[in-house]
Amino acid sequence: GQNIDQPTEMTATEGAIVQINCTYQTSGFNGLFWYQQHAGEAPTFLSYNVLDGLEEKGRFSSFLSRSKGYSYLLLKELQMKDSASYLCAVPPRGGNNRKLIWGLGTSLAVNP
Amino acid sequence: SAVISQKPSRDICQRGTSLTIQCQVDSQVTMMFWYRQQPGQSLTLIATANQGSEATYESGFVIDKFPISRPNLTFSTLTVSNMSPEDSSIYLCSATGSGRARYTGELFFGEGSRLTVL
Repeated sequence: GQNIDQPTEMTATEGAIVQINCTYQTSGFNGLFWYQQHAGEAPTFLSYNVLDGLEEKGRFSSFLSRSKGYSYLLLKELQMKDSASYLCAVPPRGGNNRKLIWGLGTSLAVNP
Repeated sequence: SAVISQKPSRDICQRGTSLTIQCQVDSQVTMMFWYRQQPGQSLTLIATANQGSEATYESGFVIDKFPISRPNLTFSTLTVSNMSPEDSSIYLCSATGSGRARYTGELFFGEGSRLTVL
């Protein structure tokens, strides 16, 4: 079956760097998504990785290792507004990219 | 990208009543979905809203409890029927975008409708 694991909570300090890990088990692979969700708001797209390696997008970077079934989201120069839940998601078996399987999310608290 | 508007944003409902949530997308989209997110839980897909035909429901969700309409490519409704306190949740409408997003499967979400059932 499909399974996604990510830490439940993390705490970091403003200005620091934090890495949020996600491990997945899928039969077949069609990419991995990271979304950000602030409390009381809708999830918003952060990144999509389908090939191994690091993709950098401003302060946020996402890494993928398909052989290890592993991804991480790297947040640099943390700001208070980065306090949010970060959701890892993968498409299910069959490659229907629209029906994503979601992790429980990692709640990140950025402290001053 | 796609901008998705949902209403109501929140409501307090009595047990046994039904509530319809509306979702409007600012552009024609191929796929529209309804999710539920209970406190401390992940996003759970309720169903795929199909234009002009019955929605495709996920395991554990049935049409009698969550009837869905999608009369055109930009509008859908979800009704939560005969509500109980267990239905208290955030209900999210989502859709695929155009361009690259259409192929990657990137989803856009409405702001969500927070329902509290007493």
